[in-house]
Amino acid sequence: QSALTQEASVSGTVGQKVTLSCTGNSNNIGSYAVGWYQQISHGAPKTVMFGNSLPSGIPDRFSGSKSGTTASLTISGLQPEDEADYYCSTWDYSLSAQVFGGGTKLTVL
Amino acid sequence: QVQLQESGPGLVKPSQTLSLTCTVSGGSISSGNYYWSWIRQPAGKGLEWIGRIYTSGSTNYNPSLKSRVTISVDTSKNQFSLNLSSVTAADTAVYYCARQGVVGGNWYFDLWGRGTLVTVSS
Repeated sequence: QSALTQEASVSGTVGQKVTLSCTGNSNNIGSYAVGWYQQISHGAPKTVMFGNSLPSGIPDRFSGSKSGTTASLTISGLQPEDEADYYCSTWDYSLSAQVFGGGTKLTVL
Repeated sequence: QVQLQESGPGLVKPSQTLSLTCTVSGGSISSGNYYWSWIRQPAGKGLEWIGRIYTSGSTNYNPSLKSRVTISVDTSKNQFSLNLSSVTAADTAVYYCARQGVVGGNWYFDLWGRGTLVTVSS
């Protein structure tokens, strides 16, 4: 069981806005920023969000936010190439460990 | 640009030690403010953090694997390594190495290797 909870699956149509959530507790998301990682067809993960900052080369239709112990990744204007598994991750100070969510499978209809 | 490449045996026997190396190219493993991490992913499952090492040599490990894991760094070879002892079939996974850098005071994975499949089987 993952320390962070993500939806198992989310779907949307091309051009739609979708939001993926990542819920933790005060020991992790409540204390640290969250990274988001995209994995297409079980290839190597790719970083798509540093908290609420975009890594170089990531389109600005991706945005990140956090409220309390829940972080969110929003994709505005969904594109077919956004279909992937998305993982959230942050540090947990009670575990002294990096923790991941179980991942959300995003399907573009 | 900096790249990471995992290497090591693709097949390990049960009860033996899994050993992998991550080679850093295009930059020095000693420069900058980075953690160097290992992450794994069993087939059809999510990502699991194994542990990390700072350029100074300090380490953090996943509590569930701590008794079996050692991560080390060899700055002369620009590499860091993973040893996982007493492996079982449950350790079969794709193993990734990754770099963690600081953005706005928080640590994030900012660079990933391509991953290498390790199968534990006799």
